[in-house]
Amino acid sequence: GENVEQHPSTLSVQEGDSAVIKCTYSDSASNYFPWYKQELGKGPQLIIDIRSNVGEKKDQRIAVTLNKTAKHFSLHITETQPEDSAVYFCATQGGGSARQLTFGSGTQLTVLP
Amino acid sequence: DAGITQSPRHKVTETGTPVTLRCHQTENHRYMYWYRQDPGHGLRLIHYSYGVKDTDKGEVSDGYSVSRSKTEDFLLTLESATSSQTSVYFCAISPTGVSPLHFGNGTRLTVT
Repeated sequence: GENVEQHPSTLSVQEGDSAVIKCTYSDSASNYFPWYKQELGKGPQLIIDIRSNVGEKKDQRIAVTLNKTAKHFSLHITETQPEDSAVYFCATQGGGSARQLTFGSGTQLTVLP
Repeated sequence: DAGITQSPRHKVTETGTPVTLRCHQTENHRYMYWYRQDPGHGLRLIHYSYGVKDTDKGEVSDGYSVSRSKTEDFLLTLESATSSQTSVYFCAISPTGVSPLHFGNGTRLTVT
């Protein structure tokens, strides 16, 4: 089955700096790549996603890039703010066993004031 | 939270006892999912449903069963709870199954 590796597991940045989280995946048939943000005591919430026919997508301070050849994708957060502190999960959805997302192990992002 | 309610929010139970967790949605979405979240493992799929009485296994289904008799309710049952099932359980829903998923706020289960 699909294997998704996420790095780093923890990340601390100064307010205003950028943060980058990277994920690699194993199934070349994967075609959908969402990112979720989880705040303490809550369920994950979708923040941005990208499909395999697109190399980059941006939404205000958040962007995702996809390199299908290398099978990796990244989340970029610019001008970080304290409210960006949370756990971030990447995920993939493959073309084989549809309707299932495979998640990375998560990154705890801390934005220091 | 996209009209998803999980109950109970917290539960402590003893090894060997049966436990049922409930997920209730008001969105009339076809797809419903149960995930467990453990440190270092992210979220792992236990079971999912693609319609009333239509369910399938996920990655970590051993020791769990599910039922969906109505569109709005998806039940997760641990027939005989074990300490390895101590976890945070999340329900998620999707209209099409092709994402995005909308998650509930989770149930923290402790098996002693």
